[in-house]
Amino acid sequence: GDSVTQMEGPVTLSEEAFLTINCTYTATGYPSLFWYVQYPGEGLQLLLKATKADDKGSNKGFEATYRKETTSFHLEKGSVQVSDSAVYFCALTHYGGATNKLIFGTGTLLAVQP
Amino acid sequence: GAGVSQSPRYKVAKRGQDVALRCDPISGHVSLFWYQQALGQGPEFLTYFQNEAQLDKSGLPSDRFFAERPEGSVSTLKIQRTQQEDSAVYLCASSLDNLGGEQFFGPGTRLTVL
Repeated sequence: GDSVTQMEGPVTLSEEAFLTINCTYTATGYPSLFWYVQYPGEGLQLLLKATKADDKGSNKGFEATYRKETTSFHLEKGSVQVSDSAVYFCALTHYGGATNKLIFGTGTLLAVQP
Repeated sequence: GAGVSQSPRYKVAKRGQDVALRCDPISGHVSLFWYQQALGQGPEFLTYFQNEAQLDKSGLPSDRFFAERPEGSVSTLKIQRTQQEDSAVYLCASSLDNLGGEQFFGPGTRLTVL
């Protein structure tokens, strides 16, 4: 079945450092890919998405490119802030299916220190 | 506007008790999803409703789990004869249509079974 694998955390960075969180997937066909973020004490929020190969999703300085050849969707940010500290989840779904359910990775905790 | 709300936010149950978890989706949202998130893991799909119809319950772990959405709005996830392995955060999400639009998540209910 479909699955998502993301790098284990925690990832600890200093403010203004460059961030990469790796995500790879296994899926049939052409899934849509997402990054969700969970800030402390809050619900999951959609950060960005890409629906087809070579699409780049971006939001709040974060970006990720849908790479079908490497089945990857790595999250990057050029300069992290303390406020980016959260758990980040990579996920996929198949639009047009019966359910559109999301399949998530295990999450990566990011801690940014001032 | 109001987002997805869930109640209670925290629930402690003794093993063997029945529990009921409530989800109030965003008004007018057609699709409703339940996910289970174990500690340190990503959310895992439980079940999906399109209006009042439960179209996919493939993720429900056992017949002790039951979900309903009788009027196509509020949904209840019921767990009978709770077991320790049921301890998790239960997340509800809704989306506007059944075409794979963005899922908006509630804050979750943290269930602890003693």
